[in-house]
Amino acid sequence: EVQLVESGGGLVKPGGSLRLSCAASGFTFSSHSMIWVRQAPGKGLEWVAFISRRSNYIFYADSVKGRFTISRDNAKNSLYLQVNSLRAEDTAVYYCARVMGVRENFDYWGQGTLITVSS
Amino acid sequence: QSVLTQPPSVSAAPGQKVTISCSGSSSNIENNYVSWYQQLPGTAPKLLIYDNDKRPSGIPDRFSGSKSGTSATLGITGLQTGDEADYYCGTWDSSLSAGVFGGGTKLTVL
Repeated sequence: EVQLVESGGGLVKPGGSLRLSCAASGFTFSSHSMIWVRQAPGKGLEWVAFISRRSNYIFYADSVKGRFTISRDNAKNSLYLQVNSLRAEDTAVYYCARVMGVRENFDYWGQGTLITVSS
Repeated sequence: QSVLTQPPSVSAAPGQKVTISCSGSSSNIENNYVSWYQQLPGTAPKLLIYDNDKRPSGIPDRFSGSKSGTSATLGITGLQTGDEADYYCGTWDSSLSAGVFGGGTKLTVL
């Protein structure tokens, strides 16, 4: 059974940092690209970042470019999102998801981890 | 303001059919695959349609997808109260070099 379990969220002050993790199991992690998607309270989905199977292709939403860093460790079946210089508008549930195909389809999602940015 | 435009809400009676539109441009929908997601309240999104019109295993054939030019459409027939959810379209935007989602459509089954 495919499972994605996010962790690392929490309450952080503006300007602060966190590192989100996504533990993958039930599939060959190194065979799939992965993404992070976020959802602010009461709002829609926002695509955040993409990383290819071997980390040779990485893309970011303009809203997080220069502040967030996506990475992965295929030996540990884990995906990460380092989030720095946090702003109130970064408050959201952050989901990791598995990419099916090249880059447009996301077939498995984690349950999400909440980041709250507040002083 | 989302790159992809969806109606904020649609509604229909149980047993009826509804369609949800997703409008984009040549840099996204027209030249990339479209996927659709269902998000029930308090849960993570679930893939309904991939590669414009394909259903993952386990998704009933009441759900269908299509694409024409810069627009895509999700169709749901035989509406059930359990279909009440938010629905999102998604694709890749070649100009942005990033993924994009529609703003979401809330389906109410009256």
